[in-house]
Amino acid sequence: QQQVKQSPQSLIVQKGGISIINCAYENTAFDYFPWYQQFPGKGPALLIAIRPDVSEKKEGRFTISFNKSAKQFSLHIMDSQPGDSATYFCAASTGNQFYFGTGTSLTVIP
Amino acid sequence: NAGVTQTPKFRVLKTGQSMTLLCAQDMNHEYMYWYRQDPGMGLRLIHYSVGEGTTAKGEVPDGYNVSRLKKQNFLLGLESAAPSQTSVYFCASSYGDLTYYEQYFGPGTRLTVT
Repeated sequence: QQQVKQSPQSLIVQKGGISIINCAYENTAFDYFPWYQQFPGKGPALLIAIRPDVSEKKEGRFTISFNKSAKQFSLHIMDSQPGDSATYFCAASTGNQFYFGTGTSLTVIP
Repeated sequence: NAGVTQTPKFRVLKTGQSMTLLCAQDMNHEYMYWYRQDPGMGLRLIHYSVGEGTTAKGEVPDGYNVSRLKKQNFLLGLESAAPSQTSVYFCASSYGDLTYYEQYFGPGTRLTVT
């Protein structure tokens, strides 16, 4: 069963718009929630991460919102750019058990 | 500094054949990981190692074996390949526990089993 559920599967956004990707989990033992960005033909790369003791983390145009009680977290990309077009994965981990979401293919239209 | 490298980049196997995927890192990382990536499934952890000479099972270990004889290398073996093992395989490494340290991924190996 999928430990981390991610939606939507694909997303098309106009340049300058806001991209929002959502993830949900069940295991309350998870203590680290990263987001990865993957371009075609490349391995994933860490984009931004959050721990459950904070509700929001912002790095540049990228923000993670975290709702511990709802067991949900989301990635917001402000002022989306064509260069942001990639596949985004959320993940959750505890110790060395690491679970990825199924991915969201983001296309930003110029 | 090459980071994480994987060999080979592409491979086609017939059912029942065996092969070994090689992962190498030059960052002196203690921890190394093997994932497989399938459409609609995301990445799933196959095996990992927390140091030279150690290995542990991940989420989907069946049909695979691993070895970590040297700190910088992590080998993934398929003893008898099956079409269900057609996938893109990624190796990753980290300095330590993923809760505190970033993991760095290699470029992937695309394996097709016919």
